[in-house]
Amino acid sequence: DTAVSQTPKYLVTQMGNDKSIKCEQNLGHDTMYWYKQDSKKFLKIMFSYNNKELIINETVPNRFSPKSPDKAHLNLHINSLELGDSAVYFCASSLYRAPNTEAFFGQGTRLTVV
Amino acid sequence: TQLLEQSPQFLSIQEGENLTVYCNSSSVFSSLQWYRQEPGEGPVLLVTVVTGGEVKKLKRLTFQFGDARKDSSLHITAAQPGDTGLYLCAGVLESNYQLIWGAGTKLIIKP
Repeated sequence: DTAVSQTPKYLVTQMGNDKSIKCEQNLGHDTMYWYKQDSKKFLKIMFSYNNKELIINETVPNRFSPKSPDKAHLNLHINSLELGDSAVYFCASSLYRAPNTEAFFGQGTRLTVV
Repeated sequence: TQLLEQSPQFLSIQEGENLTVYCNSSSVFSSLQWYRQEPGEGPVLLVTVVTGGEVKKLKRLTFQFGDARKDSSLHITAAQPGDTGLYLCAGVLESNYQLIWGAGTKLIIKP
């Protein structure tokens, strides 16, 4: 059983398009995250939700909008895609919102903007 | 500004050798985690250290948290090809409880 699953795994799209990445966790966790990993492998948190409530909203362009319909799902919608948005996006979840709680990551979505 | 520096950035060694990777900062952490990420996968937690001077062992991997809780090291004994991956440290800042990540050490173990 996949604990944290995100789709699609690969996404190639043109500049200016709007795209969404979906994430689901079946671990019963309260907290979910979106991370961006750039070409240098640097992992940076973008958003965090706890029980559908936004708790972390780092400085990211407002073209990125997370949506959590329930605590098992956290989707990421990106408007007007730019070349610099190319990266691997990871969804993760943790049992609690405390930052030292173990995070379980999905396999990542490799986004390429051309 | 990178608050959590990992070194080396890249390491390629032969199977059977020992190695140490470091995670350093001028900031104090209330806890620090080490993750391993394999190609095409997300990071997986290896260990969490919380006490200054703490040492934890996971088979051939030994993790140490500095006495002042500003740094940590990961030592691998008799490295094997299965140890290949990106090793990431992540620490919770004591000052503001924020989790920050290092840039990672890419480790390749050649058979």
